[in-house]
Amino acid sequence: EIVLTQSPGTLSLSPGERATLSCRASQSVSSSSLAWYQQAAGQAPRLLIYGASSRATGIPDRFSGSGSGTDFTLTISRLEAEDFAVYYCQQYGNSPFTFGPGTKVDIK
Amino acid sequence: VHLVESGGGLVQPGGSLRLSCAASKFTFSAYWMTWVRQAPGKGLEWVATIKQDGSEKYYVDSVKGRFTISRDNAENSLYLQMDSLRVEDTAVYYCARGTSCNGWGQGTLVAVSS
Repeated sequence: EIVLTQSPGTLSLSPGERATLSCRASQSVSSSSLAWYQQAAGQAPRLLIYGASSRATGIPDRFSGSGSGTDFTLTISRLEAEDFAVYYCQQYGNSPFTFGPGTKVDIK
Repeated sequence: VHLVESGGGLVQPGGSLRLSCAASKFTFSAYWMTWVRQAPGKGLEWVATIKQDGSEKYYVDSVKGRFTISRDNAENSLYLQMDSLRVEDTAVYYCARGTSCNGWGQGTLVAVSS
């Protein structure tokens, strides 16, 4: 089983600042099968990034994903009010298709 | 993508429930489908995934032998049969399109308690 570790657990930032979230896998993620999701309070998650770096339809370009192998990053270039939420990474290359524990981005 | 889950509720430990997910606004038969759950106040947990034609199914270890994922492409529906339910199965259950979960339903709450 591939274990995903996300850091930091909580990120306290102000609107307009840059957010950098990390996702580290216990072994290489095949074919860069790594996704990022955003979950606002009380809502279902939504897909932001798939294939490590491809934005899903309708996702603003302030969201970007990078990385390969075992180290992946989600960057939000300039935080807007609606971006304060919990972010999860998931690998879907090998079953079980595990999620990371999440990073909460809250307002400083 | 439009996904609507149903079938959740309160059940005693050892009991059974069958969740359904009605899909619309996309070609259901062309996609893998996934169930993900979220226990109260906790993170997301992948539960099960099924291939387009149902020929491949994958499960998290904690539900193997108790849960069964299935689909009916003629009815554009996904199912999760949950047997031998445990208190730790209590969660909101989401269905999602694909292995990279591009499109989610609103979730249905399953509460296992005596």
